Order: sequence, then C-alpha cells, then structure tokens
Amino acid sequence: GAVVSQHPSWVICKSGTSVKIECRSLDFQATTMFWYRQFPKKSLMLMATSNEGSKATYEQGVEKDKFLINHASLTLSTLTVTSAHPEDSSFYICSARAVLTGRIEAFFGQGTRLTVV
Amino acid sequence: AQTVTQSQPEMSVQEAETVTLSCTYDTSENNYYLFWYKQPPSRQMILVIRQEAYKQQNATENRFSVNFQKAAKSFSLKISDSQLGDTAMYFCAFMNANTGNQFYFGTGTSLTVIP
Repeated sequence: GAVVSQHPSWVICKSGTSVKIECRSLDFQATTMFWYRQFPKKSLMLMATSNEGSKATYEQGVEKDKFLINHASLTLSTLTVTSAHPEDSSFYICSARAVLTGRIEAFFGQGTRLTVV
Repeated sequence: AQTVTQSQPEMSVQEAETVTLSCTYDTSENNYYLFWYKQPPSRQMILVIRQEAYKQQNATENRFSVNFQKAAKSFSLKISDSQLGDTAMYFCAFMNANTGNQFYFGTGTSLTVIP
C-alpha cells in the first residue's frame, strides 16, 4: 500500500527556535496533504490543507505566520513551527490524499512529537 | 459543516468477546465516506475499515464490521473475538467524497481489551 513518511518522529527544541517537520509520500504523488495537531488523549485537529504549488489553507485560529507550510513538490510538504514556545508542544500528524483505483484514499504519516523546552 | 460524535470515551472488553463502538455524524452531503481508524500507543493512525455512503451493504474486514444506518446517520464498529492487540484509541471519521478533503474526526473511544 501507499506509504507516507514523516520525519522526525520526535524532536526537542529550545524556546524561540524553529523546527521543520517533513511529510513525504513515498510511492505516490500527493497534490494535497493535511496537517493535524493532536493533544494527549484528544482527537486530531486539522491545522491546514497543503496544496502543491500554492499557498496552504489554514483553519480558523491557526496562525499561518507561526506554522509555515510549504508544498513545493508532489511528494513533499513541510511544516515549520517558528519561534516555538512550550505551548506548541504537541503531536503533529500529516496525511496525504491519493486517488487510487478510482477512489479517494488518505494515508497518514507516523507523526512527530514536538517538545519545546 | 460536518460533525462526528463518539459518545463513549472509554470502553473495555474481555479478550475473545465482542464489543461495539458507537459513532453518529451529521451532514447534508449525500456522497461521502466513513472510516474507523485505530491509534495504538505508537500513535500511528491505522485504517480499520471504510464505508462508501452509496453502498447499502455493511463493510467487513475480518473481525471488524460496521453497522451503517444512513438514514439515522449512524456508523458503529463491531469488533469480534477481541484480541489484546486491539487495545487502542478508535476514531470515527467522515470525508466528503466530492471534495476529498480533510477528515472530520470524532473525539475517540479508548478501548481496552482485558486478558
């Protein structure tokens, strides 16, 4: 089946620094990818929709200047958390949309646990 | 807007027994997909089963089956012969088939299989 690779799986950074998370579709092209945030024992909250070659669409309440999304190719989307603060500590998950055998599928990355100290 | 409701925050079941997880949703769309995802402690989202709304037949995947009631907007998951490896968070999710955009997730049900 299709694979989405997310890297890194965990990262610890200092307050004020920036962290980049990568989401790659390994064996298919994904014109659309999604970034979610998940707090402990909570559901996944959509942060933004990443479209190849165009600007990302952010959900209400998500700061686009803080969570920079770049989808420069059909297999890679990146999420950069800029000037990270402890409240940005969370689990971030990407998913990629694919159309396979005529139907829409979605595949998730392994997630990234971000800890800001 | 679509909403997905899971009214059971936590459930437990004895190993080898059967358990049913509930999910209801609200939408004005007619063409959509419904999913159940499993999230074990590793946090990897694993697709358990999916249902196309236009299909009347309930989806089945080995020990997992759904009871899809389109008129009632209900989509429950039945796990038969529960195994210890089934212990996880389970999320019900909705996707608009026309746009194929993001998932709308329920709040999740934490299932524990007791040996």
